[in-house]
Amino acid sequence: ETGVTQSPTHLIKTRGQQVTLRCSSQSGHNTVSWYQQALGQGPQFIFQYYREEENGRGNFPPRFSGLQFPNYSSELNVNALELDDSALYLCASSLQGSSGNTIYFGEGSWLTVV
Amino acid sequence: GDSVTQMEGPVTLSEEAFLTINCTYTATGYPSLFWYVQYPGEGLQLLLKATKADDKGSNKGFEATYRKETTSFHLEKGSVQVSDSAVYFCALSRPSNDYKLSFGAGTTVTVRA
Repeated sequence: ETGVTQSPTHLIKTRGQQVTLRCSSQSGHNTVSWYQQALGQGPQFIFQYYREEENGRGNFPPRFSGLQFPNYSSELNVNALELDDSALYLCASSLQGSSGNTIYFGEGSWLTVV
Repeated sequence: GDSVTQMEGPVTLSEEAFLTINCTYTATGYPSLFWYVQYPGEGLQLLLKATKADDKGSNKGFEATYRKETTSFHLEKGSVQVSDSAVYFCALSRPSNDYKLSFGAGTTVTVRA
């Protein structure tokens, strides 16, 4: 149990639609990151939020966007869904400045785009 | 840029066999190194970590030593169980890169009774 919770756990969307995924970080953690894990691959970094501001972005197009709220929870939004967006989306929380900065993951949200 | 290379799977073992999964990395500076495990249908769980050269991370019978000279962080377990069947990911992060994790492609391990 990592204390990181994500919702929904599974969802199916149609190509062209928009989706919002949610994440509650571990208590006391001020940093949230999102990763995309396609089937059979390692997770790929999408972006990171620190104290409500984007603090680093991976190689993903602008239709992937996010928010972090004052309570450090976060949302990942994906517009104009494509079939290749089908993946497990993982949220991770951490406390910047802590020794070793251990990162804890949620169970993920499985997105299928049809 | 940062990168992690793991030995390709899948790996199939019998119970009580010795497991090694090789991991090498490319990164500037002094990254922290991690092994994460993913059980079927689940998210990622931190298995062990090491934050500086020669550190040994250990957990649940698994061990890995941070080798700066060979840029490696190989995962080992002396006697695997069926319950160790999972996908194992090697990863690194650097403070200068806001602790973004860079993952290897993962190694699928199946342990047979």
